[in-house]
Amino acid sequence: DGGITQSPKYLFRKEGQNVTLSCEQNLNHDAMYWYRQDPGQGLRLIYYSQIVNDFQKGDIAEGYSVSREKKESFPLTVTSAQKNPTAFYLCASMQPGSVYEQYFGPGTRLTVT
Amino acid sequence: AQSVTQPDIHITVSEGASLELRCNYSYGATPYLFWYVQSPGQGLQLLLKYFSGDTLVQGIKGFEAEFKRSQSSFNLRKPSVHWSDAAEYFCATMDSSYKLIFGSGTRLLVRP
Repeated sequence: DGGITQSPKYLFRKEGQNVTLSCEQNLNHDAMYWYRQDPGQGLRLIYYSQIVNDFQKGDIAEGYSVSREKKESFPLTVTSAQKNPTAFYLCASMQPGSVYEQYFGPGTRLTVT
Repeated sequence: AQSVTQPDIHITVSEGASLELRCNYSYGATPYLFWYVQSPGQGLQLLLKYFSGDTLVQGIKGFEAEFKRSQSSFNLRKPSVHWSDAAEYFCATMDSSYKLIFGSGTRLLVRP
C-alpha cells in the first residue's frame, strides 16, 4: 500500500535535547511538508521541500531543521532552541501539477519535559 | 495574504440531524479549497476539494460543500450525521507555492 509513515507515534525527550522525527513516503511525490498542530490553532507549516536537496522555511521554522537527501524521506529535527516543542507533528506529501492533494501521515506526538 | 476562518470552535448535533460547518476564505482569485477530517490522535483525511467548475462538490462519507464566491465561503454539509462523524474538521486553501493554509478547526460532537 502506498502512503506516508511517521515514527515513532509517541516520543518523549528531556528539555535541552535535540530529537529527530521520521517521515517516509512511497507515493513517489516530489513535495513534502511538516506541520505542527497545537490545540485550537489548526496546523502551521514548519518546513517544506518541493524537490530533493532543496527545502524552504514555513511560517514557524525557528528551532527546527530538516534535510531532503532522498525523495522518499524528509526528517525533521526539533532542536533545543525550539521554546515550546511539545506538540503533534504531521508530515504530508504531494505531487505538484497532478491532483494538488496533500496526503498526511498518522503524526508523531512529541512531549518534552 | 490568504487566510481561512472557521468561526465555530465547537458544534454539537444530534445523531441523524443535518450538519453545516462554516468556512470563509480571503483570496482575490479563485482559490483551491479543501475540507479535511481528523480523528483524535490521527492524521488528516481529505473529505473533498474544489478547484473550479461546479460549485457544489461531493466528497466521501456523504459530505458535500458549496463554493460561494459572493460570500467567500466554502461550507461543509451533511444531511444526516452519524456518531462516527464526531471528529475535528479543517478547512484549508492552497497558495501559489502549493502550501496549505488551514483554519483553526471545528470540533464536532454528536449526541446519541
